[in-house]
This record gives sequence, C-alpha cells and structure tokens, in this order.
Amino acid sequence: QLVLTQSPSASASLGASVKLTCTLSSGHSTYAIAWHQQQPEKGPRYLMKVNSDGSHNKGDGIPDRFSGSSFGAERYLTISSLQSEDDADYYCQTWGNDIHIVFGGGTKLTVL
Amino acid sequence: QVQLVESGGGVVQPGRSLRLSCAVSGFTFSLYGMHWVRQAPGKGLEWVAVIWYDGSNRYHADSVQGRFTISRDNSKNTLYLQMNSLRADDTAVYYCVRDSSTALGPFDYWGQGTLVTVSS
Repeated sequence: QLVLTQSPSASASLGASVKLTCTLSSGHSTYAIAWHQQQPEKGPRYLMKVNSDGSHNKGDGIPDRFSGSSFGAERYLTISSLQSEDDADYYCQTWGNDIHIVFGGGTKLTVL
Repeated sequence: QVQLVESGGGVVQPGRSLRLSCAVSGFTFSLYGMHWVRQAPGKGLEWVAVIWYDGSNRYHADSVQGRFTISRDNSKNTLYLQMNSLRADDTAVYYCVRDSSTALGPFDYWGQGTLVTVSS
C-alpha cells in the first residue's frame, strides 16, 4: 500500500535551516513526490517535485532558499535562511499508475 | 498568470446535493488533468477525484465513490464536482487543483478553496 509518512511537527530558529522528511512505504522507494506549503488560513502552494535521484523541479516563483533531495525511500525539503513566512504546514504528495494519489499527514513547521 | 477560482460552496443539509465549479484562466485548460482535493477543519489534505485532460477518464476516492462525480467543460474552461447524498463528514474546504500532466503527476497549481458545510 502506497503511504507517505511525515513527522507531525518541526521547529527551527529564524535565519537557520531545517530539513523536512517524507518517507515512502516499502516497495515504493523509486517514486517521485511533490512538496506543498500551506500558510495559515491559506490554500496550499506547490513548491517542487523531487525525484528518486534527488533532482528537483521547483514551481513558479519559489525562492532559492527551498531545495529538495532524496536518499532511498526518503524525500527531503530543505529550507535555508528561515523567514517568518515559512511558518506553515508542509505536505508531500505522490501518485501511482493505479490511480493511487496520496498525501502525507503534513508537518507543522514553527519558526522560532 | 494561472488562476483557479472555485465557487458553489455553502451550507447544505445532510442528504442533499451541491455542485462546485472551478473557473480557470491563464493556461490551456484542455491540456491538463484536473483534481479536487478537500481539507476537513483542522485536518490534512485528502484527494477526492481526478479527470483526464480530455475527460476520457475519471476516478474518485473510495470515500466519495458513487456519490460525487467530477466533470469538465473544456469549451468553458470550467471544472465541476457534483456532490450528492452529502454527509456531515463531507464538511471541508474543497480545492480545485491542476495536475502538471495530462493525467497523473505532481499538482502544480491550487485554487483558494470553497467551504462546504453539511449540517442540519
């Protein structure tokens, strides 16, 4: 079964860096995922697609502070030089050929 | 620029119907797969339905199968979600979302959402 696992929460200080993790379920380690950001009281926004080889393709207007990477079944979102507006929920999303579209449970990032 | 604008949400009694619309602009609608995604209050994102770029295929989540139907009118640049037999657990913000491909891929643009509240 295709499942994405995320830690419920993370925190980091203003100006620091943070690395969020999305883990694919067993047997699905080659899948690409997408990262989406949801600021408080707003709709989600697409950040980037991360492939199994670590390459990533960012959405329109996404700052260079946001980057993606991979290792095995894990997909990462790294945010550097944290700003107050990065305080948000972050969701990963994937898709299977059997029309299995899945979201992770989301990580609430607090910028201290 | 790409815009997705949902409408049609509101308060509806259990068992009744509602139709959501999503008017798009800023891109060639007929070239992209489209989805509906919902978010219950205080909860995470849940995929609801997808329709291929040309309407040739459509799929729905098990939670709405047989009650909801996704459709599109490429001549009107509009996506729809017909929701029948609504239940309290269908209460959520419903987002219209563009797929980056003709069918299945990463979602790359989201609407601002429309709130559906199912309550007596």
